[in-house]
Amino acid sequence: RKEVEQDPGPFNVPEGATVAFNCTYSNSASQSFFWYRQDCRKEPKLLMSVYSSGNEDGRFTAQLNRASQYISLLIRDSKLSDSATYLCVVLNTGGFKTIFGAGTRLFVKA
Amino acid sequence: GAGVSQSPSNKVTEKGKDVELRCDPISGHTALYWYRQSLGQGLEFLIYFQGNSAPDKSGLPSDRFSAERTGGSVSTLTIQRTQQEDSAVYLCASRGLAGYSYEQYFGPGTRLTVT
Repeated sequence: RKEVEQDPGPFNVPEGATVAFNCTYSNSASQSFFWYRQDCRKEPKLLMSVYSSGNEDGRFTAQLNRASQYISLLIRDSKLSDSATYLCVVLNTGGFKTIFGAGTRLFVKA
Repeated sequence: GAGVSQSPSNKVTEKGKDVELRCDPISGHTALYWYRQSLGQGLEFLIYFQGNSAPDKSGLPSDRFSAERTGGSVSTLTIQRTQQEDSAVYLCASRGLAGYSYEQYFGPGTRLTVT
């Protein structure tokens, strides 16, 4: 079983749709969680950190459920520019070993 | 300011040859990571440096892979006797340790093709 697993995708949604991505992690001692975005043939960039209390940044909302070892990302009012691969990232105890999920591809169409 | 840079951007090599990939982190960033990304796959953690030392080398796929960092800055990833399965994009990232930010800043990667 992979340490971090994500919805396989791809997700094909129309502009304006709401889309949710899920991610599960296996190491209960994991300490920090993130969503990164990767555009085609580009390097990953941090989208947002994920906190237990949930956090929101504009159209993006991230949630963490430590009991279920589950992370989610919700995108509201999807834009064409949201088309990318979204990577779930877990930082393990010690604060250095970083595990990336395989990513979920999103296509937003006009 | 300058971001993370990597060189070369592309490398084509014959099976069995050695290759050396270079990473220049953001100035002042003490943490440096190497990852590998195969086509259509997620990032595979290879190694992490804190300063010049690597606390965890368990991600290196085989003993053909080695990495070093000198002066707490530039890092090189060396692959000896390359194999076709080594073909991938090798990404480097750096992170500062100020405050509680764990954001990693990635370089553009080196695309390695082993023929």
